[in-house]
Formats: sequence, C-alpha cells, structure tokens
Amino acid sequence: QSALTQPASVSGSPGQSITISCTGTSSDVGAYNLVSWYQQHPGKAPKLMIYEDNRRPSGVSNRFSGSKSDNTASLTISGLQAEDEADYYCCSYAGVSTAVFGGGTKLTVL
Amino acid sequence: QVQFVQSGAEVSKPGASVKVSCKASGYTFTTSAIHWVRQAPGQGLEWMGWINVDNGNTRYSQKFQGRVTISSDTSASTAYMELTSLRSEDTAVYYCAKCSSSWFFDLWGQGTLVTVSS
Repeated sequence: QSALTQPASVSGSPGQSITISCTGTSSDVGAYNLVSWYQQHPGKAPKLMIYEDNRRPSGVSNRFSGSKSDNTASLTISGLQAEDEADYYCCSYAGVSTAVFGGGTKLTVL
Repeated sequence: QVQFVQSGAEVSKPGASVKVSCKASGYTFTTSAIHWVRQAPGQGLEWMGWINVDNGNTRYSQKFQGRVTISSDTSASTAYMELTSLRSEDTAVYYCAKCSSSWFFDLWGQGTLVTVSS
C-alpha cells in the first residue's frame, strides 16, 4: 500500500498553533478509527502522541490533539514550545492486518 | 520498567542476511503483538510486519514478503526479525514496537542500525 501523505514541513512561532495533515484513502484512514501519531526527535525512537484518531496517552501534554475528517487525519499542537521541534508521523491500520505510515513532517519552531 | 532492548549494530554484505533481536521486559510477553518498523537514513518510518506472539502468526508488508521473517521465543521474551538478500537500500535503523489491539505502538526499542556495504 502507498504511504499516507503528509506535508514535508511546517513551522510556527512559540505560543502559536500548527496543524499537520495526514491524507489516506477510504481503505485506511477513512475506514477505521485507528490513526496514531508519533513524535521523533533526532537520533531517538518514535514516541506515541495520539491513538485511535484523537485519544491522548497518559503523560502526553494536552497541547497535542488529534482529529479526522473523511480520509484526512490531523494533529494539532497548540501553544508551541521549542521542545516540540521534531519529526511527526501518522500511522493508520490499513486492513488485512497491515499498517501504513505517513512520510513524516518536520516541525520547526521559529 | 517496561522496555525493549535490541541487539547491537550490524554490518552485512550485499546478498547476506541479518537477524535483529528485541528482548522485552516489564510486561507479560504473550499479551501484545510485536511489529517491526525501519527507517532509512534521513527517511521516514516504514512498516515491515508483525507477529502475534501468543500464537506465532505473522503478517508482512507486501514490499518485504519473501525476504523477511519475524519470529519469537516466548521462553526468552524475545522477538526476532531476519531480512535476507540484503541490498544497499536496506541500510536503515530497525525498530521493534509493542502494539495494542487498536494498532498503535506504545513502546519502541532503541533501534538497531543495519549497514549493508561491500
């Protein structure tokens, strides 16, 4: 299956809000409430930020939120902080016991 | 605490095979599936496949079908990923990840760098 589509980069100033989109198809993102989001700092393993489209694991700041409309999921980070600068990846269940990741988005905090 | 510890970096020649291990601790090994995800240098995450540790069933991405084998040893709480017929494009960091029933990855190994070079 093809990778989910994310913008290559987004940027924002401290305190602002940004949104990262993740577009799939009616066979993956649009078919299940199983989109998750991961934050990855350079040289580190990914960290779960959002699961089941919009649920936040314990310990993850409430500045991170997820949503979905049709075949596009979104991650919103409010009150941007310098420590949010990282790569972000979406992932979706894609049916028949498979998964697919997005291409990743580099967030720059200006 | 709950963690995965992966085996160390590997250097392999084109055409050879590599086997990466992922030892779990801090939870009951058979209660969660384990997936493998790779990341080529400067590139994104790529899902490779997974194993139901409880019954040994596996499922692989079509891209790696025929070249990858994921297995586990419940007595050692360890999962393995073997990739054969290596080529330079397989140079990447390989991660194991614990997967919930809702297909999200809540625990990751530290990653294992596999370098394919002649």
